[in-house]
Amino acid sequence: DAGVIQSPRHEVTEMGQEVTLRCKPISGHNSLFWYRQTMMRGLELLIYFNNNVPIDDSGMPEDRFSAKMPNASFSTLKIQPSEPRDSAVYFCASSLRGGGGELFFGEGSRLTVL
Amino acid sequence: EDKVVQSPLSLVVHEGDTVTLNCSYEVTNFRSLLWYKQEKKAPTFLFMLTSSGIEKKSGRLSSILDKKELFSILNITATQTGDSAIYLCAPRHRDDKIIFGKGTRLHILP
Repeated sequence: DAGVIQSPRHEVTEMGQEVTLRCKPISGHNSLFWYRQTMMRGLELLIYFNNNVPIDDSGMPEDRFSAKMPNASFSTLKIQPSEPRDSAVYFCASSLRGGGGELFFGEGSRLTVL
Repeated sequence: EDKVVQSPLSLVVHEGDTVTLNCSYEVTNFRSLLWYKQEKKAPTFLFMLTSSGIEKKSGRLSSILDKKELFSILNITATQTGDSAIYLCAPRHRDDKIIFGKGTRLHILP
């Protein structure tokens, strides 16, 4: 069974460019989370979805960030325009709502904004 | 506002030592607490705790939750160099929100 799949694994872009990160959760999971990890701030929750509906986006840094989940098997996190301070590893994770509670992580997308 | 505090932030011990990692939390509508280990890539699951006082064990690792004091500990006995990692705790809300502490960076010297 495939785990959580994220793409791209690495992205290097210039300030001002649009960045789109993609995530395919584990089939059958109905909760999806986007996290950002930096040395300074640790693993921060950006937004999470239950049954494709955004429940809490209070962690999204500002209007430059947006996330969508058009169906149960796909989600995107978009940054437009990107800034150097957005450089981080972005993790997508999924779980079965009301189930065992374990959160399964993708391998992460390492973003560098020059 | 939700709060998760892990201590110590970093720890260096010698192989064979026993370590205790701490996690205190303040969250609304608490459901469970998760522990994760992160080496070079994504965090990997260790334990889920839902009830106070019941110890969960996996090999040399064990963990326990105190829902009254809003506290959990993770113990590692007879540490090995492969235990070097960041250990993260994460309370889970009843609406499935999961937030992480900043972690404890553990380094085991051979």
